[in-house]
Amino acid sequence: GQQVMQIPQYQHVQEGEDFTTYCNSSTTLSNIQWYKQRPGGHPVFLIQLVKSGEVKKQKRLTFQFGEAKKNSSLHITATQTTDVGTYFCAGPTSGTYKYIFGTGTRLKVLA
Amino acid sequence: NAGVTQTPKFQVLKTGQSMTLQCAQDMNHEYMSWYRQDPGMGLRLIHYSVGAGITDQGEVPNGYNVSRSTTEDFPLRLLSAAPSQTSVYFCASSYSVLDYGYTFGSGTRLTVV
Repeated sequence: GQQVMQIPQYQHVQEGEDFTTYCNSSTTLSNIQWYKQRPGGHPVFLIQLVKSGEVKKQKRLTFQFGEAKKNSSLHITATQTTDVGTYFCAGPTSGTYKYIFGTGTRLKVLA
Repeated sequence: NAGVTQTPKFQVLKTGQSMTLQCAQDMNHEYMSWYRQDPGMGLRLIHYSVGAGITDQGEVPNGYNVSRSTTEDFPLRLLSAAPSQTSVYFCASSYSVLDYGYTFGSGTRLTVV
């Protein structure tokens, strides 16, 4: 079945450093979504990418969808303590509405 | 709007007991899903629904039943609880999941002893 892997699993950064998480799917995705989950909270939708090679920005966050639509990345510039949490990517199984989530990257920001 | 409401927030069950986790949304969303979250395992899809009367299995459906008699409600039933079902359960809904993201409920933390 479809698998969505994320690396790294954990990342500790000093406040002000950049951070990147990578998402890789075993199959081509029609779109990819990114979510953020704060410790003890629930996932919150951040953004959706649809087009091959698409790049979207939200303030310090840059999201990219690979040309082959099998991978994606989230880059945070100059991390802040408010960026702490786990970042998940999610994509639909081909031909269905089943959204499979990646394993997540847990970000810790040290002040 | 209340969004996605899950009840209860916490529950302890004995092995073999059954129970229903409730999920309700007031956003007129067609798409609803149940996920479970275990440490290091991310979110795994249990069951999902694309509208009232239509449900389908996700990645880990065994031991769980769902039904969708109304657009608003999507309860998850544990038939005979097992310690392996100890997890945090999230319900999520979307107006159009291929166009918009999911809105998640605050979760139910279930412990099976």
